[in-house]
Amino acid sequence: NAGVTQTPKFQVLKTGQSMTLQCAQDMNHNSMYWYRQDPGMGLRLIYYSASEGTTDKGEVPNGYNVSRLNKREFSLRLESAAPSQTSVYFCASSGSSTGASGKNIQYFGAGTRLSVL
Amino acid sequence: AQSVAQPEDQVNVAEGNPLTVKCTYSVSGNPYLFWYVQYPNRGLQFLLKYITGDNLVKGSYGFEAEFNKSQTSFHLKKPSALVSDSALYFCAVRDTDKLIFGTGTRLQVFP
Repeated sequence: NAGVTQTPKFQVLKTGQSMTLQCAQDMNHNSMYWYRQDPGMGLRLIYYSASEGTTDKGEVPNGYNVSRLNKREFSLRLESAAPSQTSVYFCASSGSSTGASGKNIQYFGAGTRLSVL
Repeated sequence: AQSVAQPEDQVNVAEGNPLTVKCTYSVSGNPYLFWYVQYPNRGLQFLLKYITGDNLVKGSYGFEAEFNKSQTSFHLKKPSALVSDSALYFCAVRDTDKLIFGTGTRLQVFP
């Protein structure tokens, strides 16, 4: 059982280049999330998808787009990368948001380390 | 808006001593609170959660957390620290269908 898988693990881009970060989960979870982690800032939510077919902005959505391709996959796209987007990106998933016992326990991928030069 | 605060950037403790990592929260309604741990070059791992019920919540790796409504706190504790507990710890609160994370506290356990 792989859990949450992110690709690639590392990426270096030049300013203005585009790329897509891939995320897939095999836990049949409804909800998926994209975060960025920067020193001293903790985790900040970029976008999330509460269920297949829906996406919503998080705290820091500017410069990013997402696609919930199906229930398993949730991709994050940088259309024109900027140095301020240098960060570690994490994808997470969680089960149904209803029901007390499993509410919002999120399972995380190993992360993508992105540098924009 | 829901929020959590972790007032300490780093906590240092000697192996075998008790440890506490602090978290305070601000919510409207009943809080759903979580602790996660992040080891180097890894994603976050769930440790424990408080939804309702007993104020002392037990979790993975011998950790526990005490929910205190009057002090709006949810501190993470362990009776006897291990060097292998050294990691980054995050407190989080549920906000509708997402989590809001604190800025993290780095725990260093010295031999």
